[in-house]
Amino acid sequence: QVQLVQSGAEVKKPGASVKVSCKASGYTFTGYYMHWVRQAPGQGLEWMGWINPNSGGTNYAQKFQGWVTMTRDTSVSTAYMELSSLRADFTALYYCARGGSNYRSPFDYWGQGALVTVSS
Amino acid sequence: QSALTQPASVSGSPGQSITISCTGTSSDVGSYNYVSWYQQHPGNAPKLMISDVIKRPSGVSSRFSGSKSGNTASLTISGLQAEDEADYYCSSYTSNNRWVFGGGTKLTVL
Repeated sequence: QVQLVQSGAEVKKPGASVKVSCKASGYTFTGYYMHWVRQAPGQGLEWMGWINPNSGGTNYAQKFQGWVTMTRDTSVSTAYMELSSLRADFTALYYCARGGSNYRSPFDYWGQGALVTVSS
Repeated sequence: QSALTQPASVSGSPGQSITISCTGTSSDVGSYNYVSWYQQHPGNAPKLMISDVIKRPSGVSSRFSGSKSGNTASLTISGLQAEDEADYYCSSYTSNNRWVFGGGTKLTVL
């Protein structure tokens, strides 16, 4: 069965960086786009961007450009999302979500979320 | 890219039908039939309920249906049940090969 297992909670200081992982299993990792979605405490969902695990190509929401880097390691079927220059308002739950074979497909499987807390 | 517009809350009694709207622009909802809906219960990850405006993934109850007219998409839940109480989010593919979510709607089953 398809599973996306994310790394654990992180506490970071302002200005630091954080890298969240998302390990995929139960399907061909390189065949499906991977998206990242943010949810601040008590707030709604916010699309951050996608990565094509086959080519490594990425597309980020304008709001996150300059802050986020999405990468992947096909040898371990894992996608990564790195946020730099963290600010307090980056405190949120970060989800990875599987898309389809193209970037127009919706997100059919989700990770459990990784809580990132930014606090001095 | 601005978020899609959803009502903050809707409510209904068991057995009734409710509809949640999702208004976008000609750059997203109005131009593409790639609108999806997600259900999120407290403490859980979102779950895909509707894709491509009207498609129901395997395992999703037929009480859930989607539609679209112009720049507005809608999710209808018929025969409301207590377990339907959750937050619902719409999402649309947009120009520049990106996605955008709605602000979310809290459904209360009275």
